[in-house]
Amino acid sequence: TQLLEQSPQFLSIQEGENLTVYCNSSSVFSSLQWYRQEPGEGPVLLVTVVTGGEVKKLKRLTFQFGDARKDSSLHITAAQPGDTGLYLCAGDDTGGFKTIFGAGTRLFVKA
Amino acid sequence: NAGVTQTPKFQVLKTGQSMTLQCAQDMNHNSMYWYRQDPGMGLRLIYYSASEGTTDKGEVPNGYNVSRLNKREFSLRLESAAPSQTSVYFCASSPLNEQFFGPGTRLTVL
Repeated sequence: TQLLEQSPQFLSIQEGENLTVYCNSSSVFSSLQWYRQEPGEGPVLLVTVVTGGEVKKLKRLTFQFGDARKDSSLHITAAQPGDTGLYLCAGDDTGGFKTIFGAGTRLFVKA
Repeated sequence: NAGVTQTPKFQVLKTGQSMTLQCAQDMNHNSMYWYRQDPGMGLRLIYYSASEGTTDKGEVPNGYNVSRLNKREFSLRLESAAPSQTSVYFCASSPLNEQFFGPGTRLTVL
């Protein structure tokens, strides 16, 4: 069974700080997605990484896919209160039609 | 485009009651999914439909049934609700790997 483990589970930081959250697996994924979920809403896709070693930037967010395509990280520079939310990573199941989700990292950014 | 819509947004049931959660997407996606989200457990797949006319079990299918009515609509039915089914239910659709989620249905079973 493919599993995605996210760390840390919870993170509370001050506005302006930098942070990194991790998504790890012992399985290889052909792609990984990162989602952000705000309270009372469904997850919203932030990015998809496909190639081992790939780095994608979305404003202050930097996503990296591990060389072996087993892990990924999300780095946020100068966090803002608007970054508060649940960050989920997800990877495609070997069957192709299902997606495996990690349990998420809950981030709280204090003003 | 409305994206993925779900109804109802909130529901309270008594143990043993039945109900159907509705989901529709207007993005012409082939694949649709039903998840439940519980604290500390992330999103768990209940059922999915890779294309119109097909449905398959996910990780936690017991106590649920689904119907892929057409390409747009994918409903989830609880035949006899149990307190363990108290959760937030999300429907999603996908063109490939990326998923687009609805706003969720918060269900409480007393």
